[in-house]
Amino acid sequence: GAGVSQSPSNKVTEKGKDVELRCDPISGHTALYWYRQSLGQGLEFLIYFQGNSAPDKSGLPSDRFSAERTGGSVSTLTIQRTQQEDSAVYLCASSELVAGAETQYFGPGTRLLVL
Amino acid sequence: RKEVEQDPGPFNVPEGATVAFNCTYSNSASQSFFWYRQDCRKEPKLLMSVYSSGNEDGRFTAQLNRASQYISLLIRDSKLSDSATYLCVVAASGGSYIPTFGRGTSLIVHP
Repeated sequence: GAGVSQSPSNKVTEKGKDVELRCDPISGHTALYWYRQSLGQGLEFLIYFQGNSAPDKSGLPSDRFSAERTGGSVSTLTIQRTQQEDSAVYLCASSELVAGAETQYFGPGTRLLVL
Repeated sequence: RKEVEQDPGPFNVPEGATVAFNCTYSNSASQSFFWYRQDCRKEPKLLMSVYSSGNEDGRFTAQLNRASQYISLLIRDSKLSDSATYLCVVAASGGSYIPTFGRGTSLIVHP
């Protein structure tokens, strides 16, 4: 079956512009996560959704970052006024049931480069 | 102290070798443990879950030591294709269940 998909796969933008990243989780998966991975670094948790609600937003680096999920499916991560330090791979993952206790399936990521 | 710590390596081993990685965690309430594999410029993929009694999947064996708060991954008869970064993942019970990833251990298997 279809896995987690993300779009765009690559995004180059200029400093100060807004970007929107999209994640399509596996159908029926309740939990959805966003992570960020800088070159050679580990995964940095950003936010997760249980259904359409986000119980914990503490991982978002700043108020320039926001995320939403609608219909218990697609999620978008928006970065406003991008900065060069936002350059990273943004990974989305979904899991079937309760966040954390279940296997996460990752999408291929969006590689963001802020010039 | 970081919540989940791993030796970044790299571990450079010949084909056929046995290699073991450890991962320590700080949250004693942790209940779920996993090993993921991440190839260069690819997304992480589940390698195996780690159960209290330990578990084995072919050449891979995972163990949990709750008293010392670490998990381990043993790879026997290493293959060239095992070259990757191995990520330890720990999730606590209760609260928001946010899984915490270690930074990964790099394994290079050479001929």
